[in-house]
Formats: sequence, C-alpha cells, structure tokens
Amino acid sequence: EIVLTQSPATLSLSPGERATLSCRASQSVGNYLVWYQQRPGQAPRLLIYDAFNRATGIPARFSGSGSGTDFTLTISSLEPGDFAVYYCQKRDKWPLTFGGGTKVEIK
Amino acid sequence: QVQLVQSGAEVKKPGASVKVSCKTSGYTFTSYAMHWVRQAPGQRPEWMGWINAANGNTEYSQKFQGRVTIIRDTSASTTYMELSSLTSEDTAVYYCAREYGSGSVFGYWGQGTLVTVSS
Repeated sequence: EIVLTQSPATLSLSPGERATLSCRASQSVGNYLVWYQQRPGQAPRLLIYDAFNRATGIPARFSGSGSGTDFTLTISSLEPGDFAVYYCQKRDKWPLTFGGGTKVEIK
Repeated sequence: QVQLVQSGAEVKKPGASVKVSCKTSGYTFTSYAMHWVRQAPGQRPEWMGWINAANGNTEYSQKFQGRVTIIRDTSASTTYMELSSLTSEDTAVYYCAREYGSGSVFGYWGQGTLVTVSS
C-alpha cells in the first residue's frame, strides 16, 4: 500500500503570507494526486485534482504542482478562511489513501 | 445544486451493526459513483469503499472487507453503508462522497454522520 507523507505537520503563518505544503508518496502515483481543505467541523473540500487542476470555484491563489512521488500545494497569499487542515489523497488505484495532513494555523 | 444528506448520529454497542444512509439530489444518481470515507477524531480520512451507482458493483478497502456493505436504491437516489461487528475503534464521522468527474476524486460530500461505539 502506498503511503502519503505530508510535511510539515503544522505551518504557522500570517495572513498575506505564502504557504507551501508538501506531500510525498512512497511509490509513484503519476499525476493522480488530489488536495483537500478541511475546516473544523466540516467535510473536506476539493481544491486540486490530478496534481495541478483547480476544482470549480477554487480561487487562483491555490495551485498544485509535482508528479511521481513529490507534490506541492501552494497558497500564494493566505486569507482568513485558508487557516485549516490540508490533506492529499492518491487516486491512482485502490486502496485510496490520504496523507496525515498539514495544519495551517495563524501565527 | 448537488446535495448529499446523511442520516443522523448513532450510538451503538460493541458487536452491533450500523447503517448510514446518504440521500442525493441535484444530479442524475446513476451517473456518478459514490464512495464512503470515515474519519476518526483527530485522524486522517480513511477510504472504506465505493459503489458504481449505475450497476451496483462495489469495491471495498481490504481493511473493511467482510464487515462493510455498500448498496444503493436508485428509486430513492440513496446510497447506504452498513458496518458490522463494531468496536470502539469504529467511532468516527462517516461521510459519503460523490465523484467529481474524474474517478475517485471526491467533489461533493455529505455532512457526515457521527457513529459512536460505546458500552
């Protein structure tokens, strides 16, 4: 089973700053990597699919990059609603698995 | 708009089963697969399984094989997930999640159903 490792576990930043989140897979997943945002008490929200495609309605400040085993989610300028937990997920084959998450908190 | 509305919170005793429903609206039910994902407190989401809403075919995570059953009722545009032989480790929020378009990308989520397993 492919393991997804996210880093850092916590990112302490101020509004307006740039956030860079990493997701590393134990084996190649091609481009089949998805990013979600989860706010407290809510279901995850789809941000990016297939490494770099923004989902409908997702602001341009969210961008994804990478392929194979190393992926990055970048938030160019943090807004108040962006402070949340972010998960990556692989969708290349079953079992579908998620990373352990990165919490972006207000510094 | 697409909506997934799940059944309410459940409290179960160890060894019991739970059945969670996910009623959908706003799209053609048979056009998109439905997945079930659970999330224990403070943990990462965990994929449980999937159903092809058109033909009822399913695929389950090996972790839950033999304990989970996912079915659908096309006339009611509803999917059900049943988990048996519950233990305290099954205490979690259970979500249904509809595919976005590309396979196994979860674009729409239910509100979640808290299942608490306690003696």
